[in-house]
Amino acid sequence: GAGVSQSPRYKVTKRGQDVALRCDPISGHVSLYWYRQALGQGPEFLTYFNYEAQQDKSGLPNDRFSAERPEGSISTLTIQRTEQRDSAMYRCASSPLDRIYGYTFGSGTRLTVV
Amino acid sequence: QQPVQSPQAVILREGEDAVINCSSSKALYSVHWYRQKHGEAPVFLMILLKGGEQKGHEKISASFNEKKQQSSLYLTASQLSYSGTYFCGTEIGSNQGGKLIFGQGTELSVKP
Repeated sequence: GAGVSQSPRYKVTKRGQDVALRCDPISGHVSLYWYRQALGQGPEFLTYFNYEAQQDKSGLPNDRFSAERPEGSISTLTIQRTEQRDSAMYRCASSPLDRIYGYTFGSGTRLTVV
Repeated sequence: QQPVQSPQAVILREGEDAVINCSSSKALYSVHWYRQKHGEAPVFLMILLKGGEQKGHEKISASFNEKKQQSSLYLTASQLSYSGTYFCGTEIGSNQGGKLIFGQGTELSVKP
């Protein structure tokens, strides 16, 4: 696609429910990154993939968070048993392997846990 | 590990210059700069690889001093469109696969 597409744009969920956030990167972009951004703060690294392989998941806060990219394209970030502290903007970004072009970020998913 | 940006905020009049600094406690492989406008996604401005190079993008340029583990973003003759929050993103090794750690941001406001 022309840009990085994330869905849903907004998600309100009750505490304890599971949520799945989707990211569709730019076609041909090998690398895909997940970040979380609190209001007024810089993006906080969660995890990233090259092709379908998860290269680094050191930023995932705990084992309730997981991510996959089974075919090396679309990725899903899943949060199980959501808690209020999970409320944030979740952003996906993609880039070619040659990183001189930087990341292209998606518009994000605003998650609110009530 | 998070880089430190300074200043946290700056207010300019149109046409004035500004410098935003980004410092890391770790040796850096590359530094990225992004601008984020309110309610929008961060947008890539430029990348600097180690080697002390300076890059330019219109009236916005940046330098990278790998020995000091610092990068600076220079905005000259600022325009209203430059307003937003600027983030540096640092990559600490060539084997990090482009994983960036972002600073806390510098909010820039350009007034008429």
